[in-house]
Amino acid sequence: EPEVTQTPSHQVTQMGQEVILRCVPISNHLYFYWYRQILGQKVEFLVSFYNNEISEKSEIFDDQFSVERPDGSNFTLKIRSTKLEDSAMYFCASSVLAGVSYEQYFGPGTRLTVT
Amino acid sequence: DAKTTQPNSMESNEEEPVHLPCNHSTISGTDYIHWYRQLPSQGPEYVIHGLTSNVNNRMASLAIAEDRKSSTLILHRATLRDAAVYYCILRDRNYGGATNKLIFGTGTLLAVQP
Repeated sequence: EPEVTQTPSHQVTQMGQEVILRCVPISNHLYFYWYRQILGQKVEFLVSFYNNEISEKSEIFDDQFSVERPDGSNFTLKIRSTKLEDSAMYFCASSVLAGVSYEQYFGPGTRLTVT
Repeated sequence: DAKTTQPNSMESNEEEPVHLPCNHSTISGTDYIHWYRQLPSQGPEYVIHGLTSNVNNRMASLAIAEDRKSSTLILHRATLRDAAVYYCILRDRNYGGATNKLIFGTGTLLAVQP
């Protein structure tokens, strides 16, 4: 069964450094998402992406965050200057199309630790 | 998005049915009821969704009250692998950019005892 993959599984970085989290969505999916989950808290939506554009973003997704689909398979989340509070699990997800009939498939996540 | 209310935690015994309730008293006519679950140390996983009628799939059944103000996710025979946080999420079918995202609450932590 096709699945969303994410690399690395765990990233440790120092405060102020840039990080890039990578995702390979399911190949025929057109919508891509990033969510994050701070330890012990809810899963929070960050951004959705379609047709090489951001279709929606949350208040969390400020100027320090960016997303890109650099080629036909990868979808990346960049944090330009990490803060301690960026420490969280970051989940990538994809769906065939948007809308209520289409489930989102999540990857296993990247644990980001900012020291 | 309309709010859902779920119990913080529930317990079940292995191989017994589990009924996970969700209240959504302010649901609108265009809201679909979705269930996702999150196994320990994994990303969320789709379980089932429905609008008005009860729904079945290989993972679970979804029973929706006639007034749609509540629903119940039914796992017919719980296994140890079903231990997870279960999220009840409303999604508006009037698609626009604002409805792509999933809004997760705190969900119900299901413990399954052997």
